[in-house]
Amino acid sequence: EVQLVESGGDLVPPGGSLRLSCVASGFTFNTYAMTWVRQAPGKGLEWVSVISGSGDDAKYADSVKGRFTISRDNSTNTVWLQMNSLRAEDTALYYCARRIQKWSKREDYFDYWGQGTLVTVSS
Amino acid sequence: DIQMTQSPSSLSASVGDRVTITCRASETISRYLNWYQQKPGKAPKLLIYAASSVQSGVPLRFSGSGSGTDFTLTISSLQPEDFATYYCQQSYSTQKTFGQGTKLEIK
Repeated sequence: EVQLVESGGDLVPPGGSLRLSCVASGFTFNTYAMTWVRQAPGKGLEWVSVISGSGDDAKYADSVKGRFTISRDNSTNTVWLQMNSLRAEDTALYYCARRIQKWSKREDYFDYWGQGTLVTVSS
Repeated sequence: DIQMTQSPSSLSASVGDRVTITCRASETISRYLNWYQQKPGKAPKLLIYAASSVQSGVPLRFSGSGSGTDFTLTISSLQPEDFATYYCQQSYSTQKTFGQGTKLEIK
């Protein structure tokens, strides 16, 4: 059974830093890209970042580029999101999800999601 | 960035109704369009990928269609458990944008 468990969410002041973790189980972790998606309270979904299975390629939403860094450790089945220079608008529930990508079939989607970890940026 | 616009933003319907939700992309995205369902306090759940492929375990009353810029999600006969918020998402570009959501409520 695929499981994704996020942790690390907390209350942090503006300008502060936080590192989120997502531990995966139930699949061959290093063969899948992983992604972070966030949801501000009462709002819709916003894609944040994605990292390749090997960890050598990462992409970011324009809203977090230069402030957030995604990384992974395939020996511990963990993906992290390092968040620096946090702003009030970064307040959200952060979800970790597994990415499926099959270009030949025009398939690129997020099939399993964790339950999320809450980040609140406030003084 | 590619903008995704869903309509309607909210919808009231009854059990047994046929419901259609529309998603429009600001530029062509081929068939790189996915649909997710989210219930209150829960993580999103993948329903449809590549515009029309139904995810394993999803009831066949859910279907998707479209290509290019215009897409639809159809629920053929609403069940009580279908009342939720639905999001489309494009995966054509690096910035994988979601629609604003459609809240499906009980009439």
